Amino acid sequence: GAVVSQHPSWVICKSGTSVKIECRSLDFQATTMFWYRQFPKQSLMLMATSNEGSKATYEQGVEKDKFLINHASLTLSTLTVTSAHPEDSSFYICSAGLGGRGRTDTQYFGPGTRLTVL
Amino acid sequence: AQSVAQPEDQVNVAEGNPLTVKCTYSVSGNPYLFWYVQYPNRGLQFLLKYITGDNLVKGSYGFEAEFNKSQTSFHLKKPSALVSDSALYFCAVGPSRGYQKVTFGTGTKLQVIP
Repeated sequence: GAVVSQHPSWVICKSGTSVKIECRSLDFQATTMFWYRQFPKQSLMLMATSNEGSKATYEQGVEKDKFLINHASLTLSTLTVTSAHPEDSSFYICSAGLGGRGRTDTQYFGPGTRLTVL
Repeated sequence: AQSVAQPEDQVNVAEGNPLTVKCTYSVSGNPYLFWYVQYPNRGLQFLLKYITGDNLVKGSYGFEAEFNKSQTSFHLKKPSALVSDSALYFCAVGPSRGYQKVTFGTGTKLQVIP
């Protein structure tokens, strides 16, 4: 149980284009989903917390107009990287929490999406 | 602010030997503590967590972790390492109350030598 999928697993795009990444909880409903970015040989950097039906909460330093997050249902959150540039190339990972709003609990992670911007 | 420290970038251990991956934390109030494992080019997999109760927590794949409140530590252990355990291990801490945000450590690469 508690499976999270991400699509696509990798994407290559041209500079200036937008890329959408989907995160789905397959066998449970996730009130809260998280989006992380991971640089090579580094830890996960939390970008934003996404609650179903409300606006995402972005971490300091993360541009909300560049990284658009939509959490339209209890099983789907999307991250759109708008006007992508080479510096946006990274490994993006989503997770879904079982704790519910305002409660810390286990997060289940998707397999990640490797974005390369040329 | 909460934080996690994983003091070792890499741990090498011979196959069959016991392994320990260290983690210390700082958080206001009682902590929720987690260990995750990441294989190359993959997302993180949940191993185990401490919420409350017994200080020794057993998890997946034979791993266990010991919560030590006085030392603010949550070291990951396994009695007998396997080559397939070679991966990147992350410790994480979150508050027992309030906002769900969890802070991850920098990760420790475990290399099990045949």
